[in-house]
Amino acid sequence: SAVISQKPSRDICQRGTSLTIQCQVDSQVTMMFWYRQQPGQSLTLIATANQGSEATYESGFVIDKFPISRPNLTFSTLTVSNMSPEDSSIYLCSVWAANNEKLFFGSGTQLSVL
Amino acid sequence: AQSVTQLGSHVSVSEGALVLLRCNYSSSVPPYLFWYVQYPNQGLQLLLKYTSAATLVKGINGFEAEFKKSETSFHLTKPSAHMSDAAEYFCAVSRGGSNYKLTFGKGTLLTVNP
Repeated sequence: SAVISQKPSRDICQRGTSLTIQCQVDSQVTMMFWYRQQPGQSLTLIATANQGSEATYESGFVIDKFPISRPNLTFSTLTVSNMSPEDSSIYLCSVWAANNEKLFFGSGTQLSVL
Repeated sequence: AQSVTQLGSHVSVSEGALVLLRCNYSSSVPPYLFWYVQYPNQGLQLLLKYTSAATLVKGINGFEAEFKKSETSFHLTKPSAHMSDAAEYFCAVSRGGSNYKLTFGKGTLLTVNP
């Protein structure tokens, strides 16, 4: 199994500021993803974090708003830029463990934007 | 496009009673289907998955789900609820036949009463 550490676990931010969320995995993984879970909504895939190249964004999500870094096979960051109250959500990091064909999730970052 | 509908955002059962959480899906290709559980302040954990083998899938913690193509359903059941089963449950369908790019339902919160 993969153990995922996600930081911070929660934050309260002011409108117009940016927050960077970190995701650290205890083993090397090829596939890392970022999801958003809005209040009362399902999880929505934001992007696939690609090691050594730009992230691949899903429809409705853009790099300027959600820049992603993936410097190596165990670490990724997601930045939520120029935040507004509509960005208040839980953001989850997930990784695909190919050896046992499972998708593992971090415990999430609960973001509130005032 | 794939989609998932979970019937009932909140299900309440008594301890020892049958648990039935409903999930219907739509998919243009043969789907892979998943149930995840999220305990408070924790990440999502895979309960079970269907990947075109046996239609009755057994998962962890005594849960099982049956894939019914004619009904496009993948309902989750457990014969006897335990207090520790109280959590939020998410049904998900694969996108494009992959195990790791998923479309999630909105979730069902399970409450277990003593």
